[in-house]
Parts: sequence; C-alpha cells; structure tokens
Amino acid sequence: DAKTTQPPSMDCAEGRAANLPCNHSTISGNEYVYWYRQIHSQGPQYIIHGLKNNETNEMASLIITEDRKSSTLILPHATLRDTAVYYCIVRSPNPYSGAGSYQLTFGKGTKLSVIP
Amino acid sequence: GAGVSQTPSNKVTEKGKYVELRCDPISGHTALYWYRQSLGQGPEFLIYFQGTGAADDSGLPNDRFFAVRPEGSVSTLKIQRTERGDSAVYLCASSLGLAGGYETQYFGPGTRLLVL
Repeated sequence: DAKTTQPPSMDCAEGRAANLPCNHSTISGNEYVYWYRQIHSQGPQYIIHGLKNNETNEMASLIITEDRKSSTLILPHATLRDTAVYYCIVRSPNPYSGAGSYQLTFGKGTKLSVIP
Repeated sequence: GAGVSQTPSNKVTEKGKYVELRCDPISGHTALYWYRQSLGQGPEFLIYFQGTGAADDSGLPNDRFFAVRPEGSVSTLKIQRTERGDSAVYLCASSLGLAGGYETQYFGPGTRLLVL
C-alpha cells in the first residue's frame, strides 16, 4: 500500500470546519483513499473512502485532488466528540486468491483536538 | 450484537504466562483481522483469516503468537510465554470477505494486555 503523510496534530474550534490533509504522492491507479478515526480507548472507526471523485456521507466529506496525490477530510461542523486520531490510509483491493491480504497499514495519524 | 466484540476488555498477566484473547466478528463476515497497537502508535497488522484459514500471517512477530478460527466465526489469538514487550492493545476487525471488493473493516474495542 502507498505511504501517506499527515500532520501529527491539529486544533479546531467547536462548530467550525475541520480540514485534515493527507499526502499520498505514490498512490497507484487502483488504490483507494480511506479514512478512519480512533477516539480514545476505542477501536478505529471507518469514516469515508474514495477513488478519484469527491465523496460525502453523514460523517464527513473527502476531497481528492485531480492528480490523486493528496486529499482532505472535512468535518463540516466539528464537535467535542470529534476529538480523535484520524488516519489516512491508501489501500489496494482484495485479490481474494486465498493468499492476498487486505490489511490496513496505519501511520501515526493526525491528533485532532476540538476546542470549546 | 451488531458489532465486533472482544473479550476480555482488559487482561493483566505475569511474564512467562500464556494468554488467550477472543474475537467475535460481525455475523456473516468471513474475513477477520488481528492488529496490535502500542502506545502512541497506529495499529499494526498481525494476521488475516478468510474463513477458517489464515490467509496471511506475515505480521505475527514470532512463533509465540498463534491464532485460530476453527469454525470460521470466532477467533482466538494465543500468546505463549508472554513478555513485557507484548503489552499493547490487541484489536480485532472483520469484513464481508467478498472477492475483488474494496471492503470496510469494522473494529472491536480491543483487549488491553498488560504483562508484568
């Protein structure tokens, strides 16, 4: 899986949009960008994923640049409960050959602190 | 239950002892993963099951670690002769296990293992 680079930490005021950047300059054409977050003392939680088009769901929006070398996760109205470590992951599909793995490769992520 | 469950939530053991950690995946999910997370780090892949078989165990650190999934549902991670360096949060995740798909992994809350 392609390597990603994220800032180690960010602050965001409550109610404002949180924009979390991720660089993945070595991404391949069939690799997706996934975002997970991990709230303290919990397991990682899936947020959103995309290939090349921008995506939006009830949790967040994902903006991927045209060259696919970077992306931004947007939490439109951050709340205190959004304080967590956010992981950007680039991954390939499961070849399902019986030998292919579908593991997630986590970096250190970005620790987002939402400030009241 | 609707999500991935793991037991126990916390385990304290002494150096040299044997421990078993259990994971109950989401019903119908054929793919199951174990990860280990040390303090301040992102989760690291240990092993991946597709059904009953271990399709990829490349992340297991040494032969003290072993995992089984005899009926293709519940999995047990077994650690022999525990060492203090084994102290970490052990996370389990599951996914549908579809061929060629880009699958979302759903994580359990983890088991916090402390080796004294």
